[in-house]
Amino acid sequence: DAGITQSPRHKVTETGTPVTLRCHQTENHRYMYWYRQDPGHGLRLIHYSYGVKDTDKGEVSDGYSVSRSKTEDFLLTLESATSSQTSVYFCAISEPGNQPQHFGDGTRLSIL
Amino acid sequence: GNSVTQMEGPVTLSEEAFLTINCTYTATGYPSLFWYVQYPGEGLQLLLKATKADDKGSNKGFEATYRKETTSFHLEKGSVQVSDSAVYFCALSANNAGNMLTFGGGTRLMVKP
Repeated sequence: DAGITQSPRHKVTETGTPVTLRCHQTENHRYMYWYRQDPGHGLRLIHYSYGVKDTDKGEVSDGYSVSRSKTEDFLLTLESATSSQTSVYFCAISEPGNQPQHFGDGTRLSIL
Repeated sequence: GNSVTQMEGPVTLSEEAFLTINCTYTATGYPSLFWYVQYPGEGLQLLLKATKADDKGSNKGFEATYRKETTSFHLEKGSVQVSDSAVYFCALSANNAGNMLTFGGGTRLMVKP
């Protein structure tokens, strides 16, 4: 993988609790993304960042927030987790100019 | 808007068979096209790419040609192996500010010995 680390890799938590997922890159890429992957829905973009402190919403942003205080880290927060947010979450990075995205290994999140 | 359509799976083949996974797209301008592969329990890996019409991307025996006249980017491999069993995603990037990808729904390939 292109220097992308997601943590934790697995998490089980309860409805109503806050959850933060971390994506760390060592590639100094400008863009970072958070996706969720669910059966029957493919990959859906949650939020993305085009620079430090610059973020925007994706297709399924409700219930999620993000922060990027430095180039290498992009955090995804579920303020109050719900069972519908049980999913596999992927982080990706890329450079501008129609460059490909490179993906992390994912975080499997289960909300009971 | 942009869209990518892939053939639905699963596609089941015997080892050494010829593989084609169809991908067509709709996009404004001149997109870049990608194939990604996802093995069980892993993230998506870039398999190959093409950035302009008539480009051929290739990697690990897989090939795909950017056909602007038919808006297609079909994935082919001459002889599949059991280890090629995975989910394959076609995607495009079309000159958008966030370099965002539009994905197809994915095609699961199962190769039997």
